[in-house]
Amino acid sequence: ETGVTQTPRHLVMGMTNKKSLKCEQHLGHNAMYWYKQSAKKPLELMFVYNFKEQTENNSVPSRFSPECPNSSHLFLHLHTLQPEDSALYLCASSQESGYGYTFGSGTRLTVV
Amino acid sequence: AQSVTQPDIHITVSEGASLELRCNYSYGATPYLFWYVQSPGQGLQLLLKYFSGDTLVKGNNGFEAEFNRSQSSFNLRKPSVHWSDAAEYFCAVGAGTYKYIFGTGTRLKVLA
Repeated sequence: ETGVTQTPRHLVMGMTNKKSLKCEQHLGHNAMYWYKQSAKKPLELMFVYNFKEQTENNSVPSRFSPECPNSSHLFLHLHTLQPEDSALYLCASSQESGYGYTFGSGTRLTVV
Repeated sequence: AQSVTQPDIHITVSEGASLELRCNYSYGATPYLFWYVQSPGQGLQLLLKYFSGDTLVKGNNGFEAEFNRSQSSFNLRKPSVHWSDAAEYFCAVGAGTYKYIFGTGTRLKVLA
């Protein structure tokens, strides 16, 4: 039990599909994040939400669309993805920057 | 520019041997520093953190790390490695409110 739950764990989608990734935390944290983890690359911060407001969009292509309806839930809507978008997508939450993140187990996305 | 460098991509040690994973950072202010561990197919788990006080911090399962301001380093150590320690280890620095920068990771292999 990590405190941050991501669904689904695995997702295979075609380039014309639309799908969503879900993240949920019940730790009372203020901030939630999406990270992309690709092989042999550093973790890439995609989006940051602080008290439901987006505070960071790290030049992410518009085919990735985040949604944060409340402080406990975060979604990543996907459409018309490319094969290079195949990666492990990690959600995290935190209270304050000094306390560190709590990560979910990730969604392994494969775009075919 | 803020950055984190983990110079060793792979490290192999024998079970029972000592371990040191290196981390160097570049950050203008007093940093928050973290080590995370990732097992295959899993998210990252916080191993230990430093944000003030004693420069030697202790984490789970016998791991410790030492903050060295003059060398801009935060190296992770363990006196005796166990086979279950095989994983990927990430160093991170707090780069402003809610935003961290991660290193590229060091993959640890443990020989029986």
